[in-house]
Amino acid sequence: ELKVEQNPLFLSMQEGKNYTIYCNYSTTSDRLYWYRQDPGKSLESLFVLLSNGAVKQEGRLMASLDTKARLSTLHITAAVHDLSATYFCAVDLIGGGADGLTFGKGTHLIIQP
Amino acid sequence: NAGVTQTPKFRVLKTGQSMTLLCAQDMNHEYMYWYRQDPGMGLRLIHYSVGEGTTAKGEVPDGYNVSRLKKQNFLLGLESAAPSQTSVYFCAIRPHLGGGMRYGYTFGSGTRLTVV
Repeated sequence: ELKVEQNPLFLSMQEGKNYTIYCNYSTTSDRLYWYRQDPGKSLESLFVLLSNGAVKQEGRLMASLDTKARLSTLHITAAVHDLSATYFCAVDLIGGGADGLTFGKGTHLIIQP
Repeated sequence: NAGVTQTPKFRVLKTGQSMTLLCAQDMNHEYMYWYRQDPGMGLRLIHYSVGEGTTAKGEVPDGYNVSRLKKQNFLLGLESAAPSQTSVYFCAIRPHLGGGMRYGYTFGSGTRLTVV
């Protein structure tokens, strides 16, 4: 059974600071996804990481994937209030009777002025 | 959420009532999924379909049924609603493995269901 763990689950930080969210998963997979969710809204795709060593950046967010360590990180640089949201990582296992995404429980991020 | 439309957006049911949630896509993808989201639990897979006429169970299938009679539609049914099914339900689609996966999964806007 695939398990996905995120930490921290709650994070309050000040604007301008840097921080990293960690996503560990239990079964080998080459595909990892990061999503953002605002209150009452759907999931917005941030990054799709499809191979070991993949690194993607968009604005103040950067995501990386280490499939050997079964670890992905989402790094926030010089945080701004607009990045306040809940961030989810998810892994999929396709094949062998399995399909679909398995999600972490999410990191609720609050960025204070 | 272009490409995936969920109806209804909100619904209140009484315990024991039935209802059907509709997910419709216009991206011609084979793969469709139903998830539920509960506070502190992330999203959990209920059922999925890998093509027209196929369905399979996910992590939390009990109390739900699904059908995929047409490629573009994936229906989620609650035959006898229970308060434990109060949740937000999301539909998702994805392309075939390969180059298309660089876009990942696309989610609908969700259905907020309350069972009283």
